[in-house]
Amino acid sequence: QQQVRQSPQSLTVWEGETAILNCSYENSAFDYFPWYWQFPRESPALLIAIRPVSNKKEDGRFTIFFNKREKKLSLHITDSQPGDSATYFCAATNTGNYKYVFGAGTRLKVIA
Amino acid sequence: GGIITQTPKFLIGQEGQKLTLKCQQNFNHDTMYWYRQDSGKGLRLIYYSITENDLQKGDLSEGYDASREKKSSFSLTVTSAQKNEMAVFLCASSIMISGNTLYFGEGSRLIVV
Repeated sequence: QQQVRQSPQSLTVWEGETAILNCSYENSAFDYFPWYWQFPRESPALLIAIRPVSNKKEDGRFTIFFNKREKKLSLHITDSQPGDSATYFCAATNTGNYKYVFGAGTRLKVIA
Repeated sequence: GGIITQTPKFLIGQEGQKLTLKCQQNFNHDTMYWYRQDSGKGLRLIYYSITENDLQKGDLSEGYDASREKKSSFSLTVTSAQKNEMAVFLCASSIMISGNTLYFGEGSRLIVV
């Protein structure tokens, strides 16, 4: 049972474009959604996270948009840079639960 | 800051062999995790430990054992290595408040011959 789904599996954009990475989930109890990025031959690291109390979380060029009703969220990367090329994982958990469920990831490539 | 150290970085074993991966963290975090990452796939939880002396099964625990020897260390044993288990095993830790950042180690790659 895949509780967190990500699309697309891979995405290529030109430098300067906006990359949109999608995530959906099944468990209505999830209330914390971190995004982790992973560069080749490195381990995942936290990029940005959101709680459903808000519909949007912004950090520089990275913005999460959250739709609780549809159980969907998306990560927008504006003015994409080649250095943003990485695999992005959407994850989810809920208060009181220490289990994080990860999606399969979106591999982003930004071409200069 | 702190660091998570996983040993060994590469573990080569024979099919059917019992193999152990070790993880040490100096963040003084209560909660520790073992995830498995297969090429092109996400992270799947094998075992986690909320505090010292606690052990919880994840979604992929069959074929694995874990041991939280002390607060700073968490071991994972593959009870009988299979060739389809070649993957990267990631250890992570966090403070004991749900919804907090996971910090990952650099990973241990398992190769079964």
